[in-house]
Amino acid sequence: EVQLVQSGAEVKKPGESLKISCKGSGYRFTSYWIGWVRQMPGKGLEWMGIMYPDDADPRYSPSFQGQVTISADKSISTAYLQWSSLKASDTAMYYCARQLDLWSGDYWGQGTLVTVSS
Amino acid sequence: QSVLTQPPSVSAAPGQKVTISCSGSSSNIGNNYVSWYQQLPGTAPKLLIYDNNKRPSGIPDRFSGSKSGTSATLGITGLQTGDEADYYCGTWDSSLSAGMFGGGTKLTVL
Repeated sequence: EVQLVQSGAEVKKPGESLKISCKGSGYRFTSYWIGWVRQMPGKGLEWMGIMYPDDADPRYSPSFQGQVTISADKSISTAYLQWSSLKASDTAMYYCARQLDLWSGDYWGQGTLVTVSS
Repeated sequence: QSVLTQPPSVSAAPGQKVTISCSGSSSNIGNNYVSWYQQLPGTAPKLLIYDNNKRPSGIPDRFSGSKSGTSATLGITGLQTGDEADYYCGTWDSSLSAGMFGGGTKLTVL
């Protein structure tokens, strides 16, 4: 059974760093792109970027380029999304998804809620 | 404001049919495949349609997708109260070299 399990909810202060994770199982992790999607409270889905785990070259939406870093450790079938300096506007639910293609996620993680507040 | 335009809301009675539109441009829908997602309250999105009109395993044939030019449409027949959710279209934008979603449509089954 394909599963993507994300790390737990986080509460951080502005300026702090954060790295959330997404562990894949039930499939060959290095054979599918992994994507990240943001959903701000009460808002729609936003495509952030994707990465092929067997490749060190993530692709980012222009809206998120330079704001976050996507990475992966294929040895433990885990993808990551990280911030070096969080802002209150980063408060959102973040989802990872296994990608059928560059924009279609067929299996999704349960989401990680990130709250940034002073 | 999303580059892909969806109606904010649609409604229909149980058993009826509803369609949800997604309008884009030649740089996105016009030259790329479209996907559709269902997001039930408090849950992660679920893929309903990919490659314009294909259904993943387990998705009932009550859900269908089509594309014409720079617009795509999701159709749902035999509406059930359990279909009440937010629905999103998604595709690739070749100009931005990025994926994108529509703004979402809230379906109410009256």
